Amino acid sequence: KNEVEQSPQNLTAQEGEFITINCSYSVGISALHWLQQHPGGGIVSLFMLSSGKKKHGRLIATINIQEKHSSLHITASHPRDSAVYICAVRYSGGSNYKLTFGKGTLLTVNP
Amino acid sequence: NAGVTQTPKFQVLKTGQSMTLQCAQDMNHEYMSWYRQDPGMGLRLIHYSVGAGITDQGEVPNGYNVSRSTTEDFPLRLLSAAPSQTSVYFCASREDLSQEQYFGPGTRLTVT
Repeated sequence: KNEVEQSPQNLTAQEGEFITINCSYSVGISALHWLQQHPGGGIVSLFMLSSGKKKHGRLIATINIQEKHSSLHITASHPRDSAVYICAVRYSGGSNYKLTFGKGTLLTVNP
Repeated sequence: NAGVTQTPKFQVLKTGQSMTLQCAQDMNHEYMSWYRQDPGMGLRLIHYSVGAGITDQGEVPNGYNVSRSTTEDFPLRLLSAAPSQTSVYFCASREDLSQEQYFGPGTRLTVT
């Protein structure tokens, strides 16, 4: 079964800390997405990547295709970064429309 | 652009009742999807559409119907609500498979 594993499940940090959230998947993919969901809120797409690295403001996403692993980094974390971060992949082959989602990482940044 | 809109935001149903969750997008996206989000689980695909008149089942389609008569609208119908359908439902759209998805604000449904 193709699965997406995220770690850690929960993460608490102090404002200003560097944050890393990890995502691993089992077989070849066409694309990997990082999403953000604030408590009680909607879901926002942060990144979509298939290789290398992308940066947007204080957020950086990297992917290592050979190791089947991606990381989401947040530099100089802020309380407003508190949210659930979700990794999702679109596997190569089969029904390549479908996204498989991880269970999410709950990040809490304390002031 | 309003993006992806969903109505209602909240709904309480009794077991056996039927209802339709509305989803609309104004970005002229071909691809639209319905997901449900349950505690401790990742988002799961219910149904999806790759264009007007074309729909297909996702991984948890039982108890739900969809149709896509226009590019803009993609309603989700619950035929006979069950407590197991208590969940938060998200609609999403994207231009094509190489683009990011845009999500609606969600509908929180409780079935008693």
